[in-house]
Amino acid sequence: DVKVTQSSRYLVKRTGEKVFLECVQDMDHENMFWYRQDPGLGLRLIYFSYDVKMKEKGDIPEGYSVSREKKERFSLILESASTNQTSMYLCASSFGGPRRNEQFFGPGTRLTVL
Amino acid sequence: LAKTTQPISMDSYEGQEVNITCSHNNIATNDYITWYQQFPSQGPRFIIQGYKTKVTNEVASLFIPADRKSSTLSLPRVSLSDTAVYYCLVGDTKAAGNKLTFGGGTRVLVKP
Repeated sequence: DVKVTQSSRYLVKRTGEKVFLECVQDMDHENMFWYRQDPGLGLRLIYFSYDVKMKEKGDIPEGYSVSREKKERFSLILESASTNQTSMYLCASSFGGPRRNEQFFGPGTRLTVL
Repeated sequence: LAKTTQPISMDSYEGQEVNITCSHNNIATNDYITWYQQFPSQGPRFIIQGYKTKVTNEVASLFIPADRKSSTLSLPRVSLSDTAVYYCLVGDTKAAGNKLTFGGGTRVLVKP
C-alpha cells in the first residue's frame, strides 16, 4: 500500500514563528502536493512539485514556500505564521502523466497559530 | 480554470443507490475526472477516475456524458459506513498546478 506520512498530526505555534510541515511518501511518486482544508472552503492547492527541486504555485501560495530536495520528501514552510493560517494541511502524492489525479493523501496536520 | 460544483449534502438510507453529480462546464479536452471519499480526521481517499463514458470498480461507478461537462458518481447499495464527504477533482494533464481543482464536497449521510 502507498504510504504518505506527515510529521505531526497536531501542531500549535505562535504568530511570527517559522513553521515546517514535512511529508514523506514511499511509492517513488513523481508528484507531491500540499493542500489546506477549511470548513466551507473545501480543499485548496497551495503548491505542488512534479520533480525534485521543481515547484509550481497552486491557488493560494501566498505566505507559504516549499522545498523538495529528495523525491520522497516535500516540505511546506510558513515563513512567519499568522492566525489566518490556522487550518488542516494535507499532503498528497501521485505518479506523473495521466495518473497525476490519482492522489494518495496523508492523514493531515492540524495547525493552530495563536 | 475548470470550476467544479457539486451539491453540498444529500441524505440516503441503507441499501439505496446514491448518485452525486459534479458540474465542470469548462473542463479542458484532456482533463480526467476523479472522485475521492473523506472521513472525519482523515485525508481523502481515491475512489474512481474516468475520462469518458462509464467506469466501474468494486466500490463505485462513474458516468460521464459525451460532452463531459458533468460526471456522476454512483454508490450502489450504500451502508452506514459510506457516510462521508465526497469530492470530485478535475485536472489537466499539462501539469499546470492551478488547474487541479477540487469541488466543494458533498456530505452524504446514510441513515439506518
